[in-house]
Amino acid sequence: QVQLKETGPDLVQLTQTLSITCTVSGFSLTTYNMHWVRQPPGKGLEWMGAMWNGGGTDYNSAFKSRLSISRDTSKSQVFLKMSSLQTDDTAKYFCARQLGYYWYFDFWGPGTMVTVSS
Amino acid sequence: DVVLTQTPPTLSATIGQSVSISCRSSQSLLDSDGDTYLNWLLQRPGQSPQLLIYSVSNLESGVPNRFSGSGSETDFTLKISGVEAEDLGVYYCMQATHAPYTFGAGTKLELK
Repeated sequence: QVQLKETGPDLVQLTQTLSITCTVSGFSLTTYNMHWVRQPPGKGLEWMGAMWNGGGTDYNSAFKSRLSISRDTSKSQVFLKMSSLQTDDTAKYFCARQLGYYWYFDFWGPGTMVTVSS
Repeated sequence: DVVLTQTPPTLSATIGQSVSISCRSSQSLLDSDGDTYLNWLLQRPGQSPQLLIYSVSNLESGVPNRFSGSGSETDFTLKISGVEAEDLGVYYCMQATHAPYTFGAGTKLELK
């Protein structure tokens, strides 16, 4: 049974660093690519970046150098780390999986809501 | 970045009515491999998005066949043939041909 679950802090202080973990089960991170997508309250979806099944990463340039994605395959976990948080980083953060050359996200986690507070 | 423009932003429908949502891209979504990576997702209230259709017209497993997708290059359409109550929510188109992947702003389907 495929499951994805994001865990992270509810509240992060302005200019601090956000760390979120996506824990998966029912499939392997060495087979599937994993993506991070965020959604500000009442707004649309924004692709942030990807962890490829081979271990490489790609990032949306909108996040410049403040975003980092990594993984621990032994724990079936993917990590998002984003620095220098601002109030407009307040959003629900989702992880989603994608298989090889099938360019769509077929399973999403429930998301974790993060509020950036001043 | 590729901009996806969805219309209408809001759609009011009665149960059983057929409706269509348009998604227009700022550039062609035809990939060099010959495929077109335009997908449709539904986000029900309080839930995460779920995949409905991939690569323009392919129905994801388990999705009712009242949903259909069509289009090419820059113009795409999602059609629901006979809206049911469970179809209410926000529909998004998403392109994965060009990095960064982008989403339309969404179309909210409401009951009339």
